[in-house]
Amino acid sequence: KAGVTQTPRYLIKTRGQQVTLSCSPISGHRSVSWYQQTPGQGLQFLFEYFSETQRNKGNFPGRFSGRQFSNSRSEMNVSTLELGDSALYLCASSLAIDNTQETQYFGPGTRLLVL
Amino acid sequence: QKEVEQNSGPLSVPEGAIASLNCTYSDRVSQSFFWYRQYSGKSPELIMSIYSNGDKEDGRFTAQLNKASQYVSLLIRDSQPSDSATYLCAVKVYGNKLVFGAGTILRVKS
Repeated sequence: KAGVTQTPRYLIKTRGQQVTLSCSPISGHRSVSWYQQTPGQGLQFLFEYFSETQRNKGNFPGRFSGRQFSNSRSEMNVSTLELGDSALYLCASSLAIDNTQETQYFGPGTRLLVL
Repeated sequence: QKEVEQNSGPLSVPEGAIASLNCTYSDRVSQSFFWYRQYSGKSPELIMSIYSNGDKEDGRFTAQLNKASQYVSLLIRDSQPSDSATYLCAVKVYGNKLVFGAGTILRVKS
């Protein structure tokens, strides 16, 4: 079974631009979560989608948004990019949202550099 | 106080020794606990999950959970140089939100 895939893997943008990242979960997985990883803040939860609905949201500004499609694929968008948005953006998928024992599996990540 | 705390390390152990990684968490309602391994430049890879008090063993890895003390640990027996990585402790607070510690860098010296 194929793992979580993310595209693109690397991205360079300039301040003020916007960016869209894509995530395809493991086949059959319906929950997709997004995380940001930086050297200073570590791994931080951005948001989670299940059945095309945002279920949880982390403490990030409104410039960060996302959506999920009917095939469970998800996209996240960052508008008006700032230098501090440079990070590794990780997508994780899992089968079900209500099972507290459900494990999340991470994709390879998209490394974003904002200049 | 951070929600999930880990010693940043680096923790250095000789090859063949036992590496002990520790994690404490602040939210008493936390139910699920995970250890991920992350090699430099790579994404986190699940090592162990634990949900009940006590020990859970999987090969060279043993996770230990003590909910009363709000403490979870990971033991790596017969440590190998390939175990050198950052180990992330993660706690599921609600839904599918994982709260991560800052990670402990482990170095296994041959």
